[in-house]
Amino acid sequence: NAGVTQTPKFRVLKTGQSMTLLCAQDMNHEYMYWYRQDPGMGLRLIHYSVGEGTTAKGEVPDGYNVSRLKKQNFLLGLESAAPSQTSVYFCASSYQKRGREPQHFGDGTRLSIL
Amino acid sequence: TQLLEQSPQFLSIQEGENLTVYCNSSSVFSSLQWYRQEPGEGPVLLVTVVTGGEVKKLKRLTFQFGDARKDSSLHITAAQPGDTGLYLCAGAGSNYQLIWGAGTKLIIKP
Repeated sequence: NAGVTQTPKFRVLKTGQSMTLLCAQDMNHEYMYWYRQDPGMGLRLIHYSVGEGTTAKGEVPDGYNVSRLKKQNFLLGLESAAPSQTSVYFCASSYQKRGREPQHFGDGTRLSIL
Repeated sequence: TQLLEQSPQFLSIQEGENLTVYCNSSSVFSSLQWYRQEPGEGPVLLVTVVTGGEVKKLKRLTFQFGDARKDSSLHITAAQPGDTGLYLCAGAGSNYQLIWGAGTKLIIKP
């Protein structure tokens, strides 16, 4: 059972560089989410998608872009990385968005911006 | 802005002791979830509570949703080292997006 798979697991970038974080789920879920987790701040929603070809902004979208070209994949892009984007990034998916459905998480990408 | 405050932020106790973790808000939630996260992994759902006053038990863990659906608690009886982890609560707001607490880091010492 793969569930939600995130790549890469670790990455170090220099300020101004760009990169794309990949998320893949094999549960045929409609909803997918990108969060960042920082110490003492819990999980903050960056962007989410309610289905293939759709994306929407979350709580902290600035500096990030996303794409959902295929139902099973959700990509998070950093066009010009900044030290403030140093964080652990989690992708999650759920069958519905009613709040009662469990969100299934990947194991995270640890990103450091120097 | 809806907020969820968790307390305590950190708790270190001996094996066999009991503990309670709290999740409080001034907002009403349609449902509330508790997750556990272990180092290097993503959060995993433990339970979802939906009805005000609802109590759910998961072995030695007891979850309660406040009558007004603004708060919740997690009680662990006879804690074991395997209970060590970060416990997160998340409430479903008016648009069903989850509002996350900052978490309680729990360490159970053998």
